[in-house]
Amino acid sequence: AQSVTQLGSHVSVSEGALVLLRCNYSSSVPPYLFWYVQYPNQGLQLLLKYTTGATLVKGINGFEAEFKKSETSFHLTKPSAHMSDAAEYFCAVSDPSAGNMLTFGGGTRLMVKP
Amino acid sequence: EAQVTQNPRYLITVTGKKLTVTCSQNMNHEYMSWYRQDPGLGLRQIYYSMNVEVTDKGDVPEGYKVSRKEKRNFPLILESPSPNQTSLYFCASSFRAVGGGYTFGSGTRLTVV
Repeated sequence: AQSVTQLGSHVSVSEGALVLLRCNYSSSVPPYLFWYVQYPNQGLQLLLKYTTGATLVKGINGFEAEFKKSETSFHLTKPSAHMSDAAEYFCAVSDPSAGNMLTFGGGTRLMVKP
Repeated sequence: EAQVTQNPRYLITVTGKKLTVTCSQNMNHEYMSWYRQDPGLGLRQIYYSMNVEVTDKGDVPEGYKVSRKEKRNFPLILESPSPNQTSLYFCASSFRAVGGGYTFGSGTRLTVV
């Protein structure tokens, strides 16, 4: 069975500061990994995903994430936070051998201070 | 515009009164899924469908039913809703069965009193 742990249910940064949202997973096989963002009163939007190939993945809105197999991590980063980045972020893992069922982490709410 | 459409957006109902939440996608996706979102628990999968007439249980299927008679539609049925089914529900679809990113609907906030 696969699982996802997001460290920190709330993260607060100042505008212009580095954003780091942590995600660790457990999976018995090399997984597919995803980050989604949810703005208030909206559905989830795909930020980026890792399936195969380059371990550093770039997504929308200046976000990127690095797949580190040895650390079973897929942390999300952005060099400089913007007020519009305030949202809830979800990490998810998919086991390629188990269809397309995504297992989500508990989410991290990012707050950006002016 | 490519999208997943859920209806209704908000629903308040009473215990035991059957309800259906509709979901429709216009992207010809084979894969569709229902999730519920609860504070601190993230999203948990209720049911999914790999294609027409093919459905299977997710992590939390108790109290829910689904059907997939057409490729574009995947309704979620609560035969006898209970207060513990008060939640935010999302429908999602994907083009490829494995590794594809999901497109999510805007959500249905259900309150069962």
